[in-house]
Amino acid sequence: EDQVTQSPEALRLQEGESSSLNCSYTVSGLRGLFWYRQDPGKGPEFLFTLYSAGEEKEKERLKATLTKKESFLHITAPKPEDSATYLCAVQAQGGSEKLVFGKGTKLTVNP
Amino acid sequence: DTAVSQTPKYLVTQMGNDKSIKCEQNLGHDTMYWYKQDSKKFLKIMFSYNNKELIINETVPNRFSPKSPDKAHLNLHINSLELGDSAVYFCASSSRRSGNTIYFGEGSWLTVV
Repeated sequence: EDQVTQSPEALRLQEGESSSLNCSYTVSGLRGLFWYRQDPGKGPEFLFTLYSAGEEKEKERLKATLTKKESFLHITAPKPEDSATYLCAVQAQGGSEKLVFGKGTKLTVNP
Repeated sequence: DTAVSQTPKYLVTQMGNDKSIKCEQNLGHDTMYWYKQDSKKFLKIMFSYNNKELIINETVPNRFSPKSPDKAHLNLHINSLELGDSAVYFCASSSRRSGNTIYFGEGSWLTVV
């Protein structure tokens, strides 16, 4: 069964303090690994898709990387507006396009 | 110009009632989904439709019945609501043309009392 584990569950950073979120996964053939951001009271907002080991993608202060077993979301010099829950999900090869999500990492960036 | 929109956003109802949540997407996608996010914030798929055809049903109770009148709409009807049905329900859509990225609506907060 496809599975996604995210760590830590919660992370508190000071503004400007860089860190990384981890997403470990097991999947029967990876089609894609997705990162989403979810703000309180909102739906998940798409950030990145990674398709193969070694791939990296960047957006502002965020950088996502992928290996064969895990993905990291690196946050460089975070700002308070980066506070949110970050969700990782995998999509397996085959006919279904469903996403299997981890439980998320709640990030709080203090000014 | 909301891409995936769902109504109502908030719904409070009594046990035993029947309720519906509606979803529409204007992205031109051919696949639509219902996901459920429980009190622990865990997001899990319930149903998926492709071109109005049911392709995923993740062992959801028969009280939940999705209906897709066309590719742009996917509604969720829930019969005989139970306390445990209280959750946030997210509609979503995707297309292989768009790299299979799934785009979510803002959610419908269902509270059963």
